[in-house]
Amino acid sequence: GAGVSQSPSNKVTEKGKDVELRCDPISGHTALYWYRQRLGQGLEFLIYFQGNSAPDKSGLPSDRFSAERTGESVSTLTIQRTQQEDSAVYLCASSSARGGGGKTQYFGPGTRLLVL
Amino acid sequence: GENVEQHPSTLSVQEGDSAVIKCTYSDSASNYFPWYKQELGKRPQLIIDIRSNVGEKKDQRIAVTLNKTAKHFSLHITETQPEDSAVYFCAVANDYKLSFGAGTTVTVRA
Repeated sequence: GAGVSQSPSNKVTEKGKDVELRCDPISGHTALYWYRQRLGQGLEFLIYFQGNSAPDKSGLPSDRFSAERTGESVSTLTIQRTQQEDSAVYLCASSSARGGGGKTQYFGPGTRLLVL
Repeated sequence: GENVEQHPSTLSVQEGDSAVIKCTYSDSASNYFPWYKQELGKRPQLIIDIRSNVGEKKDQRIAVTLNKTAKHFSLHITETQPEDSAVYFCAVANDYKLSFGAGTTVTVRA
């Protein structure tokens, strides 16, 4: 079946502009996660959705970052007034039920964001 | 929060030899330990995982061992092949959140 998809695959923007990144999870997956991966580094947790609510937003780096999810499906991550340090790959993952306790997270291909 | 340390950061092995990567964690309540492989420019893919009630799990050339008392777990790759070259990440969870190690870049020399 279809895996997690993300769009765009690449995004180049100018400092100060807003960007929207999209994630389509695996159908039926209630849990959705956003991560950031800087070049040559590990994955940094940003936010967790269970259904349409986000019980854990603790990883969002600043108030310029926000995310929403609708219809227990698509999620968008918005970065306002982008800065050069926002340049990274943004990965989305989904899992079949409330995560943890062995719920495998399946990753999308990521969006490569470059802020000039 | 959970602190996951992964060693080594880079590993070069001769084709056919074994590779071992170790991770330690801090939260004794953690109960799920997956390993992901990420090839250059690709998404992380789960290669094996282990739960806290199991000490060892094997899948063909890949095995993971878990020592809950010492709070460490290891990935073992035997008979390495060129296609095993990638970055490997360990992760730890006790609920919904995965905390990742910094990654190990494995290079298999032909």
